[in-house]
Amino acid sequence: SQKIEQNSEALNIQEGKTATLTCNYTNYSPAYLQWYRQDPGRGPVFLLLIRENEKEKRKERLKVTFDTTLKQSLFHITASQPADSATYLCALVGGSYIPTFGRGTSLIVHP
Amino acid sequence: EAQVTQNPRYLITVTGKKLTVTCSQNMNHEYMSWYRQDPGLGLRQIYYSMNVEVTDKGDVPEGYKVSRKEKRNFPLILESPSPNQTSLYFCASSLSFGNYGYTFGSGTRLTVV
Repeated sequence: SQKIEQNSEALNIQEGKTATLTCNYTNYSPAYLQWYRQDPGRGPVFLLLIRENEKEKRKERLKVTFDTTLKQSLFHITASQPADSATYLCALVGGSYIPTFGRGTSLIVHP
Repeated sequence: EAQVTQNPRYLITVTGKKLTVTCSQNMNHEYMSWYRQDPGLGLRQIYYSMNVEVTDKGDVPEGYKVSRKEKRNFPLILESPSPNQTSLYFCASSLSFGNYGYTFGSGTRLTVV
């Protein structure tokens, strides 16, 4: 069955450092991979989308890579700030019309 | 402001009492969907709609109904709620499926006692 894995343990980093979050998947051939930010009790907010034929995408302090051979996406936040503290979700979109979301990784940026 | 509006934000109901959670978007999006989010399980899709009068099941459709009579509205109906439907529900919309990000509503926290 299709499976998405994101680190269940929270990632703690110091302000100013680069945060790197991982999204691994199996039994899936996604056409698109999306990253979202979710704050407690709020709806996810779309951040970035990367297509299967793209290796890297950037938006301001955010960078996403997509390696279809390794079946992995990395999500980077450079110069992280305490306001970046949230849960980050990856979502895979493939042939069916049902996107599959990971369970998310909590990021905590310490001042 | 472009947004997806869900109502109510919080709802406590009793087993078996029919309820409707409304969802409306003002972005002229074709694609709309409903998710539930449970601790340890993440977001799971309940139903989706590719356009008016076109709906289909997601991963966990049992116990739910939807309708898409107008492009902007996509209500979620629980005909006979049960305690296992206690969850946080999100409505989402997108210009089209897959190659655009989804805009999510603020969520509806439903408790069935």
